[in-house]
Amino acid sequence: NAGVTQTPKFQVLKTGQSMTLQCAQDMNHNSMYWYRQDPGMGLRLIYYSASEGTTDKGEVPNGYNVSRLNKREFSLRLESAAPSQTSVYFCATERGANSGNTIYFGEGSWLTVV
Amino acid sequence: KNQVEQSPQSLIILEGKNCTLQCNYTVSPFSNLRWYKQDTGRGPVSLTIMTFSENTKSNGRYTATLDADTKQSSLHITASQLSDSASYICVVSPTGTASKLTFGTGTRLQVTL
Repeated sequence: NAGVTQTPKFQVLKTGQSMTLQCAQDMNHNSMYWYRQDPGMGLRLIYYSASEGTTDKGEVPNGYNVSRLNKREFSLRLESAAPSQTSVYFCATERGANSGNTIYFGEGSWLTVV
Repeated sequence: KNQVEQSPQSLIILEGKNCTLQCNYTVSPFSNLRWYKQDTGRGPVSLTIMTFSENTKSNGRYTATLDADTKQSSLHITASQLSDSASYICVVSPTGTASKLTFGTGTRLQVTL
């Protein structure tokens, strides 16, 4: 009953360090997404992968890269972390890019950049 | 610019009482509207999804309404429980894909004894 699994749950980085957030899903969904959630703002899309082998930029892609490793896994990389990237990151999945599909979210990854 | 506005920002009610949360949107075109529940420290969980032609959709004690003409939606919670304490997020999609969702900032609901 894992659904969408994100690791790590918590991370503290120093400015300029790099790290990768991992996301894995066991629902055989085609589409995967990375969002960030900041206080007083709605979730914002960073990158998404409509299907295995494809990735596209979302609303706030600067400072991030992604890899759709296979159908199950979608990772988010911060190459040189900045304090502005302090946020809660959510991975989400959807069966396919189609109206009405339920979107399933992971439990979140809390990232602090100091 | 597509926007989703929710009110109130926060709400405190007594256990057993009903409450209604509001969502106004300016997203165009419109495909569907979703309500999510987000417990503190957890990811959002879907409550309802409504398309243009649906006026009401229920999920247990949660009932969502949609007026596509006025671009308003509401989420009504009946006989509230302590476990209903959470943020409730309204999300609107202009197309059929989750890559174009517009999220509201949520209403923080606290249910007390």
